[in-house]
Amino acid sequence: GESVGLHLPTLSVQEGDNSIINCAYSNSASDYFIWYKQESGKGPQFIIDIRSNMDKRQGQRVTVLLNKTVKHLSLQIAATQPGDSAVYFCAENKGSNDYKLSFGAGTTVTVRA
Amino acid sequence: DAMVIQNPRYQVTQFGKPVTLSCSQTLNHNVMYWYQQKSSQAPKLLFHYYDKDFNNEADTPDNFQSRRPNTSFCFLDIRSPGLGDAAMYLCATGGIGSPLHFGNGTRLTVT
Repeated sequence: GESVGLHLPTLSVQEGDNSIINCAYSNSASDYFIWYKQESGKGPQFIIDIRSNMDKRQGQRVTVLLNKTVKHLSLQIAATQPGDSAVYFCAENKGSNDYKLSFGAGTTVTVRA
Repeated sequence: DAMVIQNPRYQVTQFGKPVTLSCSQTLNHNVMYWYQQKSSQAPKLLFHYYDKDFNNEADTPDNFQSRRPNTSFCFLDIRSPGLGDAAMYLCATGGIGSPLHFGNGTRLTVT
């Protein structure tokens, strides 16, 4: 079935650099997307979300970009810190008639000191 | 303050011995979800409740059952755990068009 997936399973980044985590989705009906961060031994933690009527949304040190033309979603983390080391999942919610979340495979981000 | 609380954090059960995992939420959301997450994989939805309406995913084994006695609590019952059921079980709650809030999970070991 249709699902959300990530391009790379792992990402190693130098502390202080910017990180970009990518995600591709295949369901054109999806209208709500969320990025989660999951640290070892914990549940997924909400980072930022975006609806399909937007192409960019910013939070504190994070930016989510949505390109509906190519069905691509990305998460940018500015000035990556050691505490950003975690697994990052993108997830899609197909909108008002489907409030279930479908998760992509995840990207493990490792921050090098 | 934790909004979704799962107990216990770690659970060990024997092969075939029934086990119950519990979840409570303080957000008063209509919807509660149970996800299964195996090592290095994405969470996989098992089922969800919209109020008292139970919704099973098509590929969720019959071995997994759930109860929701009230808005705040939801239980996952595994009737006859197999070795393949060892995983992290995540409970979540949320509303339509809003992000889910997850608990920290229960890690189930089957011996």
